[in-house]
Amino acid sequence: DVKVTQSSRYLVKRTGEKVFLECVQDMDHENMFWYRQDPGLGLRLIYFSYDVKMKEKGDIPEGYSVSREKKERFSLILESASTNQTSMYLCASKGPLSGELFFGEGSRLTVL
Amino acid sequence: QKEVEQNSGPLSVPEGAIASLNCTYSDRVSQSFFWYRQYSGKSPELIMSIYSNGDKEDGRFTAQLNKASQYVSLLIRDSQPSDSATYLCAVKDSGNTPLVFGKGTRLSVIA
Repeated sequence: DVKVTQSSRYLVKRTGEKVFLECVQDMDHENMFWYRQDPGLGLRLIYFSYDVKMKEKGDIPEGYSVSREKKERFSLILESASTNQTSMYLCASKGPLSGELFFGEGSRLTVL
Repeated sequence: QKEVEQNSGPLSVPEGAIASLNCTYSDRVSQSFFWYRQYSGKSPELIMSIYSNGDKEDGRFTAQLNKASQYVSLLIRDSQPSDSATYLCAVKDSGNTPLVFGKGTRLSVIA
């Protein structure tokens, strides 16, 4: 089974802190994604990566950056957390079939 | 901006009935269509994909696609309480582009 592991299920941070969200997949997938999910707003794409050291902006990249130094690992970085970044963050990797995304369990971030 | 529209629900159906979930999309070049199911507190999981006009059946689930009307639907026959979840419609155009998700329809199957 494909496994996408997100390092933290729950985080509480202070405004202005730097936040790292880590995601690791074990299936040698090339494409990886970071989404946030908010009630009433659905899944919104923040950044994605087609390969190591490659990154593409999604629909809402402002306030975020990403790092993909190894194929299996895709990190989301909040340089200076703000309260409007309180959300559920979901990492996904894309399998061989078109449209087949495997999601991690999510990281619920609260920024105070 | 590509858009995928779904009625947010909740859609309530009695156990054993057919649940019909609908989705429209704005981009005519969309080529691939998917339904994801998300249980409360869990992550989405892929349950159906459809690429050509018509129906595609998988067990109790049937996906329907009408590209001329830019419309995708998911039918769940013999609905069970365990089908209660949010169903996300997603579309994709050609090439290595990301999925575009709708906001989801919450389905509640009443025993």
